[in-house]
Amino acid sequence: AQKVTQAQTEISVVEKEDVTLDCVYETRDTTYYLFWYKQPPSGELVFLIRRNSFDEQNEISGRYSWNFQKSTSSFNFTITASQVVDSAVYFCALSCHTGGFKTIFGAGTRLFVKA
Amino acid sequence: DSGVTQTPKHLITATGQRVTLRCSPRSGDLSVYWYQQSLDQGLQFLIQYYNGEERAKGNILERFSAQQFPDLHSELNLSSLELGDSALYFCASSVAMEDNTEAFFGQGTRLTVV
Repeated sequence: AQKVTQAQTEISVVEKEDVTLDCVYETRDTTYYLFWYKQPPSGELVFLIRRNSFDEQNEISGRYSWNFQKSTSSFNFTITASQVVDSAVYFCALSCHTGGFKTIFGAGTRLFVKA
Repeated sequence: DSGVTQTPKHLITATGQRVTLRCSPRSGDLSVYWYQQSLDQGLQFLIQYYNGEERAKGNILERFSAQQFPDLHSELNLSSLELGDSALYFCASSVAMEDNTEAFFGQGTRLTVV
């Protein structure tokens, strides 16, 4: 069975702090895709990144970086120098070959960034 | 703006009623997905259509149905509504048939059943 676990329900940081959001996934597939989405207070879901199972390179995009480690089945997301606008719920998601690549979302981590 | 349009944004209705949620995908996207987001269940995949055909089914109740029309817009029909159906319903679209590409989400329809 496929599963995504985001153990951190809520995180609160002060502006300019770095913060890491954890994501652990379970699948027996060798072909799968991992995603992060952001849901700001306005409610829409915004795509942040997609990573396939064959590409373990870490990625950096501005203040955002992602650490994909197959050995620990983790796909963690770090925000450097957090800003108030980063306050949102962040979802990690998994899409596997088995089951026709239906996307399974984690429960989400609510991030509060205080000024 | 993701390019995916959902209407209405808010809907309040009574138990036992039927509602229709509408989604227009991004131009060029053939896949449409419906998700339900509730406090207790989180974000749950309901159903996917690709180019008019049902492609994948998730945790969709029998009281719910969907379709995708020739112009690729999609409708989600919810009937015999219960209080527990109150949730945010998202539509997403993508280019591919397989749900392994970036999906663009609409702003959601917030359904309140009273």
